Amino acid sequence: DGGITQSPKYLFRKEGQNVTLSCEQNLNHDAMYWYRQDPGQGLRLIYYSQIVNDFQKGDIAEGYSVSREKKESFPLTVTSAQKNPTAFYLCASSASSSYNEQFFGPGTRLTVL
Amino acid sequence: EDQVTQSPEALRLQEGESSSLNCSYTVSGLRGLFWYRQDPGKGPEFLFTLYSAGEEKEKERLKATLTKKESFLHITAPKPEDSATYLCAVRSITDSWGKLQFGAGTQVVVTP
Repeated sequence: DGGITQSPKYLFRKEGQNVTLSCEQNLNHDAMYWYRQDPGQGLRLIYYSQIVNDFQKGDIAEGYSVSREKKESFPLTVTSAQKNPTAFYLCASSASSSYNEQFFGPGTRLTVL
Repeated sequence: EDQVTQSPEALRLQEGESSSLNCSYTVSGLRGLFWYRQDPGKGPEFLFTLYSAGEEKEKERLKATLTKKESFLHITAPKPEDSATYLCAVRSITDSWGKLQFGAGTQVVVTP
């Protein structure tokens, strides 16, 4: 059963902590993306990766970091430098960056305590 | 800068009451317009891609249409299970790495 998995579903962070959100896909997709969703706003792009060992900043990369060591995995770290991290985080993938459709995982809701 | 505006923000329908959602966009050449459905607390589910003005796509009670400035998502005889937030996104022809510009969405509630 092909798809995108994200874990955990819910995550709680204390101020000053770094946390890492997992994203795994078994669709054999080259391109992967991280978005942030806040109430009343459209999805905003944090980071994207077109191939393994390569990634680029999106529109709101400050306070976030990523890695792409394997084709299947694209973890996102929310660092203590991110001032307002409480949000719903969505991972997506696409066959390639030239392919239009992106498919999303189930999301991780991060709450700062 | 690419912009996407969706209206209305929220829509409440009786079961069977057809309606349309609007997605107005500004983009420097359209590569594709995308519709997604999102249930509360879940990731968006892909519905349609439209590429050029005049194109239409259908899936069950949903029909998406495209002009040079906007797209409509028509919901015909909706059922309660059509309740969701519907998201619209565009991709510019100048984009080389898959950036989608999303609207804020229209929240649809269908009551029995």
